[in-house]
Amino acid sequence: KQEVTQIPAALSVPEGENLVLNCSFTDSAIYNLQWFRQDPGKGLTSLLLIQSSQREQTSGRLNASLDKSSGRSTLYIAASQPGDSATYLCAVAGNTGKLIFGQGTTLQVKP
Amino acid sequence: DAGVTQSPTHLIKTRGQQVTLRCSPKSGHDTVSWYQQALGQGPQFIFQYYEEEERQRGNFPDRFSGHQFPNYSSELNVNALLLGDSALYLCASSLLGLQDTEAFFGQGTRLTVV
Repeated sequence: KQEVTQIPAALSVPEGENLVLNCSFTDSAIYNLQWFRQDPGKGLTSLLLIQSSQREQTSGRLNASLDKSSGRSTLYIAASQPGDSATYLCAVAGNTGKLIFGQGTTLQVKP
Repeated sequence: DAGVTQSPTHLIKTRGQQVTLRCSPKSGHDTVSWYQQALGQGPQFIFQYYEEEERQRGNFPDRFSGHQFPNYSSELNVNALLLGDSALYLCASSLLGLQDTEAFFGQGTRLTVV
């Protein structure tokens, strides 16, 4: 049974700092991995999708990596801003498209 | 493109009642999945619909049922509501079977059972 874990559960950093969020999964037979952002009480916004054959994806200040063999992904946020404050969720998908989520990392960026 | 839209945004129901939530997928998407997110938790998969049929189901009781229409929109029905059904219900749309398909989510429906 696939299980996804995100560490840390919460993180507080000063503005401008570079930071890394971690995601681990127990079954390496994934189709893809997706990172999402969720603002309080809102839906999920897709940030990055990494296919199983890829090692990393970049979008602006965000970079996500994937190491299937070790069951790990990281989300790197460069030069953090207060507007980055949100909960970040990672999810893995098998070939059926069903997503299995971690519990998220709640990020606070202080001005 | 309006993206994934869900209605209503908020709902308050009494224990024992029934509720219907609605979802319109992103244009061009043929698959709709529903998730339940309790406060402080990650979303949990309820079920997925493709070609108007339930393709797979998560660990949820039969009180949770759904439907997909020919235009790919979908409904989630919950019967005999329990206090524990209070949660944010999220709808996601995607294209089935494509490795590079992204799942896009709606803004969710906040259900409160009193």
